[in-house]
Amino acid sequence: DAGVIQSPRHEVTEMGQEVTLRCKPISGHNSLFWYRQTMMRGLELLIYFNNNVPIDDSGMPEDRFSAKMPNASFSTLKIQPSEPRDSAVYFCASSLPVNTGELFFGEGSRLTVL
Amino acid sequence: GQSLEQPSEVTAVEGAIVQINCTYQTSGFYGLSWYQQHDGGAPTFLSYNALDGLEETGRFSSFLSRSDSYGYLLLQELQMKDSASYFCAVLTDSWGKFQFGAGTQVVVTP
Repeated sequence: DAGVIQSPRHEVTEMGQEVTLRCKPISGHNSLFWYRQTMMRGLELLIYFNNNVPIDDSGMPEDRFSAKMPNASFSTLKIQPSEPRDSAVYFCASSLPVNTGELFFGEGSRLTVL
Repeated sequence: GQSLEQPSEVTAVEGAIVQINCTYQTSGFYGLSWYQQHDGGAPTFLSYNALDGLEETGRFSSFLSRSDSYGYLLLQELQMKDSASYFCAVLTDSWGKFQFGAGTQVVVTP
């Protein structure tokens, strides 16, 4: 299995630009999660989906952030406009329909906003 | 509020045993997981406890006491490659939502 696939792995952009992060979950997994990791705030859950439906987006910092999951094999996290404080590593993770206590993380997208 | 408390850093020598404690206060509790993360890498799953007691997986063991809202990860026969951050994470709902602790950096010295 290829695991959770995220792109891009690294993104450097200027303040005000739109950023789109992409995620392909593991086939057969029905829950998908977007996390953000910074030194100051640790691993924060931004939003998660179950069967492509958003369940909880209370962790999304503000309206500049949006996420979609148009089908079971693809999700995007968009930031528009981006700000320097958005600089972080963004992880996508997926999990099986049966609870095993395990999240499968992608390698992350490291975002730097100048 | 919701919180997970774990030590920020632990240092030990190769071959030693390290215990990382985690106390939690969350609105929902389905189980406690542990993850390892090396610098620049992704968190990887180590263990999960849904019920009280000890789970052993090779050199790593994890314990849970639901009545005490407490768990720990035990790392035995420490190796240099065990130098990493370790996170406890509470499963807070049936959809698979986890809340993570701030992480414990384990430094293994020769």
